[in-house]
Amino acid sequence: QAHLEESGGGVVQPGTSLTLSCAASRFSFSGFGMHWVRQAPGKGLEWVTLIRSDGSNKFYADSVKGRFTISRDNSKNTLYLQMNSLRVEDTAVYYCAREVAGSAFDVWGQGTIVTVSS
Amino acid sequence: EIVMTQSPLSLPVTPGEPASISCRSSQSLLHNNAYNSLDWYVQRPGQSPQLLIYLGSNRASGAPDRFSGSGSGTDFTLNITRVEAEDVGVYYCMQALQTPWTFGQGTKVDIK
Repeated sequence: QAHLEESGGGVVQPGTSLTLSCAASRFSFSGFGMHWVRQAPGKGLEWVTLIRSDGSNKFYADSVKGRFTISRDNSKNTLYLQMNSLRVEDTAVYYCAREVAGSAFDVWGQGTIVTVSS
Repeated sequence: EIVMTQSPLSLPVTPGEPASISCRSSQSLLHNNAYNSLDWYVQRPGQSPQLLIYLGSNRASGAPDRFSGSGSGTDFTLNITRVEAEDVGVYYCMQALQTPWTFGQGTKVDIK
């Protein structure tokens, strides 16, 4: 069964950087678009960014555009999220998710917690 | 940005009874007159979200057959034929027609 596992979360100060990783296993990672979705404490789900299967196209939510960068290494079956200039409002659980049918997330990771606080 | 609006935001349910959640989008999610880019997810307490319905009405692998999705254009519904205790959680609709992909606010389902 396809599996995703996030790592790299932690407690950081505003203005600093953090990189999240998402390790994929038990499926052909290079054949799927991948996304990051986040959930602030007690809040709903917010789509953050996506990257196409070959890394050719990337899209971002306005709230993170210019600060976050999504990337992938298909040889390592790993998705990344480089987060710069972090703000208190970036505090959330960050999930990576696999896209299917051009329209849905059929596999989710367990999430990694990012806390931005002074 | 396409705005997704769910109702109700809170839904107390009785096991064995039917339940439904509505989702409305600020613009049509019908793609090339062929399918609707609308999905439904459930997030059970302490868990990651899980796909229930994709492309408006297709049940995801592993989703119980008591769940069904209907609707087209801007109005969609998630139906549960007979609620079970394990169905408690927060249900989200999401549009994937255009970036940014956007979620509804979520509907919290709990047992009366």
